[in-house]
Amino acid sequence: KNEVEQSPQNLTAQEGEFITINCSYSVGISALHWLQQHPGGGIVSLFMLSSGKKKHGRLIATINIQEKHSSLHITASHPRDSAVYICAVRPDKLIFGTGTRLQVFP
Amino acid sequence: DSGVTQTPKHLITATGQRVTLRCSPRSGDLSVYWYQQSLDQGLQFLIQYYNGEERAKGNILERFSAQQFPDLHSELNLSSLELGDSALYFCASSVQGQSNSPLHFGNGTRLTVT
Repeated sequence: KNEVEQSPQNLTAQEGEFITINCSYSVGISALHWLQQHPGGGIVSLFMLSSGKKKHGRLIATINIQEKHSSLHITASHPRDSAVYICAVRPDKLIFGTGTRLQVFP
Repeated sequence: DSGVTQTPKHLITATGQRVTLRCSPRSGDLSVYWYQQSLDQGLQFLIQYYNGEERAKGNILERFSAQQFPDLHSELNLSSLELGDSALYFCASSVQGQSNSPLHFGNGTRLTVT
């Protein structure tokens, strides 16, 4: 069993929809990261969380340390949000989930 | 722009060869991390340096080595290359080396071994 599980693996949405990507992990962590990877390959760090909730524009990330679970929400989704979203946790080194591929259609 | 620079962007080489990937961290960042992203293994941590010293090691093969120089740039050396080494190699940097430091990723080097 992977130490970091993401769901769903693939997600399609219509522009404007509210999107949720989930991440569950099985190890103790000091931080959880949400990363975005576009088809070109580059990785962008969206959030680093150790508790609570963070918001940046249309993106919201939450974490529940007791339940070892995090969610990434995208409000009013747009085709430019199409990317792979990767959850990664840090007990010490980064352990990555397998990613959620999101496609948003106009 | 994360401020982390990786060169080259693409590299095509043959089996058995040796290559060097370079990473310049964001200005002020002391720690450099290397990651490999392959189709079958996903993203994996390879190695971390902090201020010139090796800090942590992950799933790095013995054929691979890295170092961080006094100017804080880092190089990842891959030798005796095999087809399975074809992957995207990412570098990231952070100010400190702790696990709760924000990370800044480079755009990666795509290595193709033929």
